Amino acid sequence: DGGITQSPKYLFRKEGQNVTLSCEQNLNHDAMYWYRQDPGQGLRLIYYSQIVNDFQKGDIAEGYSVSREKKESFPLTVTSAQKNPTAFYLCASSLTTGSAYNSPLHFGNGTRLTVT
Amino acid sequence: GNSVTQMEGPVTLSEEAFLTINCTYTATGYPSLFWYVQYPGEGLQLLLKATKADDKGSNKGFEATYRKETTSFHLEKGSVQVSDSAVYFCALPTPGGGADGLTFGKGTHLIIQP
Repeated sequence: DGGITQSPKYLFRKEGQNVTLSCEQNLNHDAMYWYRQDPGQGLRLIYYSQIVNDFQKGDIAEGYSVSREKKESFPLTVTSAQKNPTAFYLCASSLTTGSAYNSPLHFGNGTRLTVT
Repeated sequence: GNSVTQMEGPVTLSEEAFLTINCTYTATGYPSLFWYVQYPGEGLQLLLKATKADDKGSNKGFEATYRKETTSFHLEKGSVQVSDSAVYFCALPTPGGGADGLTFGKGTHLIIQP
């Protein structure tokens, strides 16, 4: 079955360390996204990528970095510059048909990052 | 920019009760509208969608009607079950098209008691 795989499900890090969250999709989708979810705040867009080797900042990109070297993969690095990194991180993908109605987002099951 | 406002939760109902979760939006033009559902410990899943005024999206007994005059897309279900307990998100495209992702409301936590 096609889908999006995020790993690991839970991740623990010490403050000051960089950490990379994995996201892989086998849906042959062009676009991929990273969202951050905090209690009571909904989802906020961190970065997105429409094609390989290209990505754009979302609303809260500071302290994060991404790469898109392959169509299937869109890893997110949470750097030590991110002031409040503890959160639930969701990766998503979609076809780029130019119509959100025809290409809704597909989500992975998320990675819960805890930084102490 | 586009934005979504949802009713605050948690919403607690008894099994077989009628459900309404309110959603209103602010947008330029007439965007597609979506409801997503998030079960505990999982990512979001598309529940239903609508693309134009008076369209009704439906799935798994849930319905929502695109109301242009009130800029609303309220989610309804006639008889809820314990398995419907989840967080529900209303969403619409961010300006720029489908490749730019969606703008989500803050989510409404629904709790169904047996």
